[in-house]
Amino acid sequence: QSVLTQPPSASGTPGQRVTISCSGSSSNIGSNYLYWYQQLPGSAPKLLIYVNNQRPSGVPDRFSGSKSGTSASLAISGLRSEDEADYYCASWDDSLNGVVFGGGTKLTVL
Amino acid sequence: EVKLLESGGGLVQPGGSLRLSCAASGFTFSTYAMSWVRQGPGKGLEWVSTISGSGSSTYYADSEKGRFTISRDISNNTLYLQMNSLRAEDTAVYFCAKGRLGMPFDYWGQGTLVTVSS
Repeated sequence: QSVLTQPPSASGTPGQRVTISCSGSSSNIGSNYLYWYQQLPGSAPKLLIYVNNQRPSGVPDRFSGSKSGTSASLAISGLRSEDEADYYCASWDDSLNGVVFGGGTKLTVL
Repeated sequence: EVKLLESGGGLVQPGGSLRLSCAASGFTFSTYAMSWVRQGPGKGLEWVSTISGSGSSTYYADSEKGRFTISRDISNNTLYLQMNSLRAEDTAVYFCAKGRLGMPFDYWGQGTLVTVSS
């Protein structure tokens, strides 16, 4: 059971906009930054969004993040086949004194 | 360019020990916290342990406390994870990751596979 809650799956057709939610509590998302990672099959996770809504250089602006209270979401617009991957949210947890992850959302591009 | 290269994984019997290493380059190693994160077969990401830039502070997930020890050699830009009393449920790909204390990670290594089985 993951500390942060994500839907196990999401899907969309090419060109569509998809959102993935991530919910937590006051000890993690509510008081710390939220990060998002993309993990392609057989690969290491890659940073997609940091500090709630910032994109590292090289990440397309089709990816955007937002946070409100103890919840956050990742939006992917103009969906492409190469976006098919697992997506994880993560935050520091003040009670556990460590990083907590969501269980991951498998995105399928139909 | 930041590079993190893990090594030391392999097959070990239940109750055995293993030491993982992560060679870091491309950044000032002593400035950043370093962590280990694992991913069991077909499972999600699980934080294991974090060490501060100086090495003076360490943090562990509850399931690893007392069995795993994180350390770093600043002179050699290398991160370590000593794993003792290994169990079947420790079977996973272990990633090293770079970040700052109190935050998740910005770079990840490619991982090293640890299999605990008789």
